[in-house]
Amino acid sequence: KAGVTQTPRYLIKTRGQQVTLSCSPISGHRSVSWYQQTPGQGLQFLFEYFSETQRNKGNFPGRFSGRQFSNSRSEMNVSTLELGDSALYLCASTPGAAQVKETQYFGPGTRLLVL
Amino acid sequence: GQQVMQIPQYQHVQEGEDFTTYCNSSTTLSNIQWYKQRPGGHPVFLIQLVKSGEVKKQKRLTFQFGEAKKNSSLHITATQTTDVGTYFCAVNFGNEKLTFGTGTRLTIIP
Repeated sequence: KAGVTQTPRYLIKTRGQQVTLSCSPISGHRSVSWYQQTPGQGLQFLFEYFSETQRNKGNFPGRFSGRQFSNSRSEMNVSTLELGDSALYLCASTPGAAQVKETQYFGPGTRLLVL
Repeated sequence: GQQVMQIPQYQHVQEGEDFTTYCNSSTTLSNIQWYKQRPGGHPVFLIQLVKSGEVKKQKRLTFQFGEAKKNSSLHITATQTTDVGTYFCAVNFGNEKLTFGTGTRLTIIP
């Protein structure tokens, strides 16, 4: 099976712009989670989607949003970008609904740089 | 809030020496997972521990879950250059979210 794929892999934006990142889970996986990874804060949970519904959300401002499509592909959007949003954004998929008890398969990430 | 402490933050060892990273919580955990992230890579699942006092081994890696389910450790025997990377614990406080530790970055001196 193909692994989790994320596009684009690298992105440069300027402050105030918005960005959309895409994640395609492993075939058959229905849950997608998003994480922000920075050197200072480590891996921070953004949100989790299962069957097109947001099941859990981390402590991020409303500028961060996401959605999941019927084919389980997911997108996350960040509006009004700030310098502090520069990070590696990782998505992870799991087969079922018990995200916290299942193996998370991570994609390669999208590295976002905000100038 | 519920937090997990992972120590040490960095560890430099001579090749062949042992390595241990610890994950500590002030509250009881439902389960804990361990991941490894190679430099420039993404986290890769290693193991999950669920039961109190559980010990699991994968070749040179030994994972332990404390009796009180508040701490865990990952021990690598006789490190090799392929062990280089950052090791993360990810814990479940019972709130359906995984909280990752800050990670321990392991470097090997050949």
